[in-house]
Amino acid sequence: GNSVTQMEGPVTLSEEAFLTINCTYTATGYPSLFWYVQYPGEGLQLLLKATKADDKGSNKGFEATYRKETTSFHLEKGSVQVSDSAVYFCALGMEYGNKLVFGAGTILRVKS
Amino acid sequence: DSGVTQTPKHLITATGQRVTLRCSPRSGDLSVYWYQQSLDQGLQFLIQYYNGEERAKGNILERFSAQQFPDLHSELNLSSLELGDSALYFCASSVGGIVTDTQYFGPGTRLTVL
Repeated sequence: GNSVTQMEGPVTLSEEAFLTINCTYTATGYPSLFWYVQYPGEGLQLLLKATKADDKGSNKGFEATYRKETTSFHLEKGSVQVSDSAVYFCALGMEYGNKLVFGAGTILRVKS
Repeated sequence: DSGVTQTPKHLITATGQRVTLRCSPRSGDLSVYWYQQSLDQGLQFLIQYYNGEERAKGNILERFSAQQFPDLHSELNLSSLELGDSALYFCASSVGGIVTDTQYFGPGTRLTVL
């Protein structure tokens, strides 16, 4: 079946450090890929998405590129801030079935 | 604020009971999704409604049911509750019904079954 694997956290970084959160997927067919962020006590928010291979999603300094050859969608940010502390979820969606499959989530903690 | 509202915020009940969770989607959104978030299972899709009709089904137990009303609000009914049903239940909405539409999540209802 379709699944998403994320790197385990928590990831702890100092402010202005470079961030990478790894995400790989298994899917039959060609999924769309998403990163969602959940701040403490809140629901999830879409951070970025890519709907086909080689697409790059970007938002608020975060980027991820849909790599079909490595079945990956790693999240990166050049310089993290304390306000980026949250849980980050990678997800895939298939048009048939019309549902999102989420990874386990990665906790990010940024220290000042 | 995503524009999606969920009530109640917290619910504490006993095993064997039945509860109803309510969701109001963003204005103009026709699709509503329900998710369950727990420590052991992670974030799991339960069910989707589009304009009043069931569109997709995930890992929803038979003891759970949902519906979307003509005014587009949705309710998730959980019956014969078990300890393992304790979780955070999220509702999300989107303008259309396809997977690439952005889903806007509500703040969630935290259910505790004692």
